[in-house]
Amino acid sequence: GEQVEQLPSSLIVQEGASVLINCSYTDSASVYFPWYKQEPGKRLQFIIDIRSNMERKQNQRLTLLFDKKTKHLSLHITATQPGDSAIYFCSPKPASSGSWQLIFGSGTQLTVMP
Amino acid sequence: ETAVFQTPNYHVTQVGNEVSFNCKQTLGHDTMYWYKQDSKKLLKIMFSYNNKQLIVNETVPRRFSPQSSDKAHLNLRIKSVEPEDSAVYLCASSGQNSDYTFGSGTRLLVI
Repeated sequence: GEQVEQLPSSLIVQEGASVLINCSYTDSASVYFPWYKQEPGKRLQFIIDIRSNMERKQNQRLTLLFDKKTKHLSLHITATQPGDSAIYFCSPKPASSGSWQLIFGSGTQLTVMP
Repeated sequence: ETAVFQTPNYHVTQVGNEVSFNCKQTLGHDTMYWYKQDSKKLLKIMFSYNNKQLIVNETVPRRFSPQSSDKAHLNLRIKSVEPEDSAVYLCASSGQNSDYTFGSGTRLLVI
């Protein structure tokens, strides 16, 4: 089945810094790649996605890069704020194991210091 | 308000008891899911349910079972809880080719 690895597992930065979160997956049939954010004590929240026919997608301070050949994604967050402190999950959607199941990476814990 | 609603928020029980968690979505989505989030925040899919078709993660112990009355409800029953079942159980729903909407979770503590 799909294996998803996220690096780094945790990140601590000063407010205003940019961060990069990497995600690698194994199932070449994955076609949809949503990312989710989980702030402390809050529910998982969708933040950005990309499909396999795209290489780049931007949503305000978030930029998602996708390399189909290497099966790798990068989430770039610019001008970080304390409110960005959360766990970020990469979740490739494998086409093989039932068309509607998301498999989550192990998460990246981001802490933004004021 | 359209969302995914889970009850209870928190449940403490003893080993061997039966528990049941409720989940309801008012988004008109076709598919619902249960995930288990452990103390390290790892998320594991347990079940998905779409149009009366249930997909089960084969690693889920048999004491866990989903129960659905319609596409807006997917409850989770644990027949005889064990200490390793302590976790947060997250319910989610999705429409066709859309992202997931999650509930706020049910935290289970087995003592």
